[in-house]
Amino acid sequence: GEEVAQTPKHLVRGEGQKAKLYCAPIKGHSYVFWYQQVLKNEFKFLISFQNENVFDETGMPKERFSAKCLPNSPCSLEIQATKLEDSAVYFCASSQLDSSNYGYTFGSGTRLTVV
Amino acid sequence: AQSVTQPDIHITVSEGASLELRCNYSYGATPYLFWYVQSPGQGLQLLLKYFSGDTLVQGIKGFEAEFKRSQSSFNLRKPSVHWSDAAEYFCAVGAPSGAMRFGAGTRLTVKP
Repeated sequence: GEEVAQTPKHLVRGEGQKAKLYCAPIKGHSYVFWYQQVLKNEFKFLISFQNENVFDETGMPKERFSAKCLPNSPCSLEIQATKLEDSAVYFCASSQLDSSNYGYTFGSGTRLTVV
Repeated sequence: AQSVTQPDIHITVSEGASLELRCNYSYGATPYLFWYVQSPGQGLQLLLKYFSGDTLVQGIKGFEAEFKRSQSSFNLRKPSVHWSDAAEYFCAVGAPSGAMRFGAGTRLTVKP
């Protein structure tokens, strides 16, 4: 399709529980990006994939965060043992990263609330 | 390293007035520059982008932006603001090889 589909829209987890978020990129886009938007509106880059391969993970808190993009499956972002500060909206974006048509298409986000 | 600065956290304009949102960037090469808009509880919508060529870029909803290399700026403008333009606006810089970096955003309030 022509939209990036993120599920679920809302997710509530108790502190210490696991959270798993999903992202279906636009068909034909080979790059997927995850961003975290916290209350101050700052978009923090987490990780990107080129197809199934990690492309850039410099923003990823590796202790509790992991992500995958497997063939024929939505990409996923998983947070083990969530903490209160993980409460944020997590956005996924996909792109062709063709220099002549560079630009992301964003999903509508998953709002994670850790209580 | 890439970085984006939006100096104005919050701007209020009257409906029908002109608007300019400031964006300054730091980037080692010719940047790819973007403006996005985010309404409350929504995702990001692309307003316009600049890669090369004409430094005055036209976007959707009547917005335009001008790339000024000498000032490292990419300011967003609109001649006449509508109440529906109230939202958060984000400037971003990116490159085909990697992630996009966003500014902290400017919240636009439109007075009747």
